[in-house]
Amino acid sequence: LAKTTQPISMDSYEGQEVNITCSHNNIATNDYITWYQQFPSQGPRFIIQGYKTKVTNEVASLFIPADRKSSTLSLPRVSLSDTAVYYCLVDTGRRALTFGSGTRLQVQP
Amino acid sequence: NAGVTQTPKFRILKIGQSMTLQCTQDMNHNYMYWYRQDPGMGLKLIYYSVGAGITDKGEVPNGYNVSRSTTEDFPLRLELAAPSQTSVYFCASSPDSRTYEQYFGPGTRLTVT
Repeated sequence: LAKTTQPISMDSYEGQEVNITCSHNNIATNDYITWYQQFPSQGPRFIIQGYKTKVTNEVASLFIPADRKSSTLSLPRVSLSDTAVYYCLVDTGRRALTFGSGTRLQVQP
Repeated sequence: NAGVTQTPKFRILKIGQSMTLQCTQDMNHNYMYWYRQDPGMGLKLIYYSVGAGITDKGEVPNGYNVSRSTTEDFPLRLELAAPSQTSVYFCASSPDSRTYEQYFGPGTRLTVT
């Protein structure tokens, strides 16, 4: 299974752009990179998924360099409500997601 | 749509007792999953199902059993509860063959004492 490594925690202020980087050195050719968000006492919520280059949706962007050994989740202009744990996962397509410990993002006013 | 619903929300069990955690989804998803999350940790997959009548083990299946008699329901059975099973349990579902965008329920907080 591809192992992911991401920072344990990050701090930011409202209105700033936040970039969370995840390394996945042994990602396989057909694997996707997926990010989830989890608020306290709630189940995780899907944010974005990508395979290569850049993917953007209404809440985030995902940047994946050509070697695919890392990826960066970008949250534009964060607000207090973006305070949560963010998980980077490698989706092997075998219907089994492996969650690491995630990155705890704290947004301050 | 209610999405993924789980009952109960909270439960306290004594060591050796058994119980069933219920999970229902109304999105007609074929794929369903059970995870557990220990404090401060990520989620670990217990069991999953790719359709009615088909189940398979995940990363941490010991002490648990599942069944999938309908598309909508995926109950998780705990036999002979142990303190190590104290955790928050999440059920999830997804519509297609990749794990892309799983939809999670609100969780069941279980304490075994």
